[in-house]
Amino acid sequence: AQSVTQLGSHVSVSEGALVLLRCNYSSSVPPYLFWYVQYPNQGLQLLLKYTSAATLVKGINGFEAEFKKSETSFHLTKPSAHMSDAAEYFCAVRGFRQPNSGGSNYKLTFGKGTLLTVNP
Amino acid sequence: DTEVTQTPKHLVMGMTNKKSLKCEQHMGHRAMYWYKQKAKKPPELMFVYSYEKLSINESVPSRFSPECPNSSLLNLHLHALQPEDSALYLCASSQHSNEQFFGPGTRLTVL
Repeated sequence: AQSVTQLGSHVSVSEGALVLLRCNYSSSVPPYLFWYVQYPNQGLQLLLKYTSAATLVKGINGFEAEFKKSETSFHLTKPSAHMSDAAEYFCAVRGFRQPNSGGSNYKLTFGKGTLLTVNP
Repeated sequence: DTEVTQTPKHLVMGMTNKKSLKCEQHMGHRAMYWYKQKAKKPPELMFVYSYEKLSINESVPSRFSPECPNSSLLNLHLHALQPEDSALYLCASSQHSNEQFFGPGTRLTVL
């Protein structure tokens, strides 16, 4: 079964500092990995995804993540935090194709989330 | 149009009421999902529809009844809910192996 573990339920950084949110995965097959962001009282927005192409993935809002198979990690980084980055961040791994789905859907397994706060 | 829309944004209902949540997408996605999210928790999958047929039911109580009238529309019918069902209900859609696109959610309060 696929799973992800997010290390640290709460990360606090100063504005302008490096953001590092950690995610480790467990998967019996090459994984598809995602980072989503959720602002208060909103839905989830995709930041970036890894689908077995380049190991360094660039996303929106200046975020990027590096897939490291040897470490089973997919950590999210941003060089300089902005106040608007304060939100909940979820790492997710795609599960196996569902039978009888015509190949159109997969389960997503989410980590427990990391709340990022940015101090002025 | 790369948007998933959900209505209403907020819903307050009593335990004897019947209400429905609506989700719509016009991206041509053939998979649609309902999630339930409690505060400070990740989304929990409830139902998945694939090509307008129910593909996954994650052992959700029968007081939640999903419906997919067509490829763009997904409903969640609610009846005799409990206060512990209060949560943010998220809809998502996807196509093949691509990422899931989420709507803004409906904040449900059951009194």
